[in-house]
Amino acid sequence: DQQVKQNSPSLSVQEGRISILNCDYTNSMFDYFLWYKKYPAEGPTFLISISSIKDKNEDGRFTVFLNKSAKHLSLHIVPSQPGDSAVYFCAASARNNDMRFGAGTRLTVKP
Amino acid sequence: KAGVTQTPRYLIKTRGQQVTLSCSPISGHRSVSWYQQTPGQGLQFLFEYFSETQRNKGNFPGRFSGRQFSNSRSEMNVSTLELGDSALYLCASSPRQGVAYGYTFGSGTRLTVV
Repeated sequence: DQQVKQNSPSLSVQEGRISILNCDYTNSMFDYFLWYKKYPAEGPTFLISISSIKDKNEDGRFTVFLNKSAKHLSLHIVPSQPGDSAVYFCAASARNNDMRFGAGTRLTVKP
Repeated sequence: KAGVTQTPRYLIKTRGQQVTLSCSPISGHRSVSWYQQTPGQGLQFLFEYFSETQRNKGNFPGRFSGRQFSNSRSEMNVSTLELGDSALYLCASSPRQGVAYGYTFGSGTRLTVV
């Protein structure tokens, strides 16, 4: 059962513009959300996280927004850079247990 | 400090065989989790070990098993391999049980079943 969904398998944006990656979840018990970035032949690396008690968390060019009523979160990258090109995974956890991941969105940032 | 080490990096096996994958966590990390990544499915949780005990288990058949040793190293075993088991198997370690403490992933073992 896909409790975490990333409905866009790919996204292409121009360098300098905003990238918006979306994620939806179904389990209302999820209380911690994370974004990971993955390059080919490497393991996922942690990017940013947000607790369910917040609706926004910002770290440099990366901002994660959480809409609990809609069970939706998004990752904004501003400005986008070619080095951001990777697969981005959304993940969620309930009560500090294991993470459940989405299928990933491949972001391509064109120079 | 050294990261999460997974061996081997690549593996080719025949249907019906069994395979063992190894994961050495970051020194001091006591929790190890395993994930399977396949195209279109993302990362699917297999199981988590903490202090040599399986704490959580995903929705995989009993052919998938694992264990953790006293030094926190972990192994994952898949018996009676099927073509659909071809995937990237990722291991992640954490200082303690639970995602809030931070997971660090290894580079994975690419298993191909022919």
